[in-house]
Parts: sequence; structure tokens; C-alpha cells
Amino acid sequence: GQNIDQPTEMTATEGAIVQINCTYQTSGFNGLFWYQQHAGEAPTFLSYNVLDGLEEKGRFSSFLSRSKGYSYLLLKELQMKDSASYLCAVRDESNTGKLIFGQGTTLQVKP
Amino acid sequence: ETGVTQTPRHLVMGMTNKKSLKCEQHLGHNAMYWYKQSAKKPLELMFVYSLEERVENNSVPSRFSPECPNSSHLFLHLHTLQPEDSALYLCASSLIWGAGDTQYFGPGTRLTVL
Repeated sequence: GQNIDQPTEMTATEGAIVQINCTYQTSGFNGLFWYQQHAGEAPTFLSYNVLDGLEEKGRFSSFLSRSKGYSYLLLKELQMKDSASYLCAVRDESNTGKLIFGQGTTLQVKP
Repeated sequence: ETGVTQTPRHLVMGMTNKKSLKCEQHLGHNAMYWYKQSAKKPLELMFVYSLEERVENNSVPSRFSPECPNSSHLFLHLHTLQPEDSALYLCASSLIWGAGDTQYFGPGTRLTVL
């Protein structure tokens, strides 16, 4: 079956670095997305990985290993506004836009 | 602001009511999606429209009825819902229904069924 696993909750300190892991078992693979969702707001796109390696975008980086079915989102220089849920989603079919989502990781940043 | 708007933002309805959720995208996209987000559960894809044609229907009960009159608007018509249908309903759009394309989400409608 299709399965995306993420930790349910994480806590980190302002200014620190945090890594949010995502593992997946899907019938196929055609890309992995990370979204950020603040409470009561729309999920917003953070990153997309389809090849192995690290994609860096400012304070946020995302890594993918297809052979291990593994990705992580790295957040550096944490700010209070980074407190949110982080959703990992996998596209498992090559000819559609269908995404399979994990349940999300709620990150709390403390002063 | 992602360019995808949803109304209403909050809705409370009884099990015998009929209501509709509206989504509008201002991004020139050709694919639109309805998702259900329940507490502690992953986002569940409900319906997908590509070029105003339904291309995905994920075993959703018939009490949910989607409508896509044009590529900018998407509706979800609700009737005789159950309390377990209470959730956040998210609309999304993407340029195409295909690989590699990013979906952009609206803020959602928080639905409570009494």
C-alpha cells in the first residue's frame, strides 16, 4: 500500500536548526513536495525534489534519497514564525498530478 | 495570498441542509482539486478537474457533488452530510494535471456538521 511517515510533533529553539524527516513506501515515485501550513491557513509550497540530493532555498533545504525512500526538510536559523505544520507529499504516478500526503509534522519554535 | 480563494471560510450546517463551497483561482491554471483535511489525518484527495473535466473521483460519497463550470471556478455541493464530514475542505489548483506540477492551495472552508 501507499504510506508516508512523518513525526507528529517536534519542538526546537529560536535560532537553532531542525530536521523534519519523511519516509515513504509508494508503488511508484515521481517527485516529493514539502508544504508549510500555519494554523487556519492554506498549505504553501516550500520545495520539490525529484532527483537525489539537496535543494537549498534560503533558510530551508530539502533532501531526497530515492533508494532509501527518504526525505528531510532542514530549517536553519529558526524563527518564531516557523511554528507551523510541515506536510510531506509524494507523487507516485508519472502521468497524473495525484499527491499522497503524510499527516504532517507540527513544529513548535520556542524562544 | 496564493491566488486561490475560498468562500465561505467557516460553515455550520445541519444534517438536512444543502450548502455549497466555492473556490476561485486567479492563476490561469487548468486543473483544480478538492481535498479534505481532518484532525490528525493526512490530506485526502476527493476530486480533480482538468480542463473542466473530472479526472479523479476518490470513492467520495454521493452526498458530496463537485461542479466545475469553467477553469477558474470549482464548487462542492453538500447535502445530507454526517457529523463525521466535519473537516477543513481545501481547494487547490495547478497549471496542468500532470507530473512535476506544483499545487497551490486556498485557505480552506472549516465545515462543522451538527
